[in-house]
Amino acid sequence: EIVLTQSPGTLSLSPGERASLSCRASQSVISNYLAWYQQKPGQAPRLLIYGTSSRAAGIPDRFSGSGSGTDFTLTISRLEPEDFAVYYCQQYGNSPGFGPGTKVDIK
Amino acid sequence: QVHLVQSGAEVKKPGSSVKVSCKASGGSFSNYAFSWVRQAPGQGLEWLGGIITILGTTSYAQKFQGRATITTDESTRTVYMELSSLRSEDTAVYYCARGIREVAVAVVWGQGTPVTVSS
Repeated sequence: EIVLTQSPGTLSLSPGERASLSCRASQSVISNYLAWYQQKPGQAPRLLIYGTSSRAAGIPDRFSGSGSGTDFTLTISRLEPEDFAVYYCQQYGNSPGFGPGTKVDIK
Repeated sequence: QVHLVQSGAEVKKPGSSVKVSCKASGGSFSNYAFSWVRQAPGQGLEWLGGIITILGTTSYAQKFQGRATITTDESTRTVYMELSSLRSEDTAVYYCARGIREVAVAVVWGQGTPVTVSS
């Protein structure tokens, strides 16, 4: 079973700043099957990035994903007010699983 | 464009079972991966298992092997998740989600079904 670790647990930033969120896997993620989701209170998660770096339909280009093997990053180039939320990474290869999440809140 | 509508909130006794449905409208249904994910109050996301429609191939998180059963009814475009031997720790919102063909990334999500387990 692949265990995902996300850091930091909470990221306090101001609108307009750049956010870098880390996701580390306990073993290599097959086929770079790594996704990122955004979740706001009371809502279902929303897919942002799949296949490590492909943006889902309708996702603004300020969101980008990178990485390979065991180390992955979600970058938000300039935070908009609507980007303050919790972000989860997920590996969806064998026996999918989620990381514990990173909360991005307003500084 | 596929839209997933889940069944309504449930309140169950410890030791009982719950069956949650997820009906797809629009878009494609056959030969797609559907996943079930839950979220306990104030907690993160947890993958329970999934199914590939038409093939009927299922996979489950080790934690839920033997307790979760995922099935599909192609005629009504509905996916089901049944969880047995319920305990208080199973209180959560349960989500279904559809993938990209047979790949289990969760692209489209249902609205969630709250399940409360309480005596």
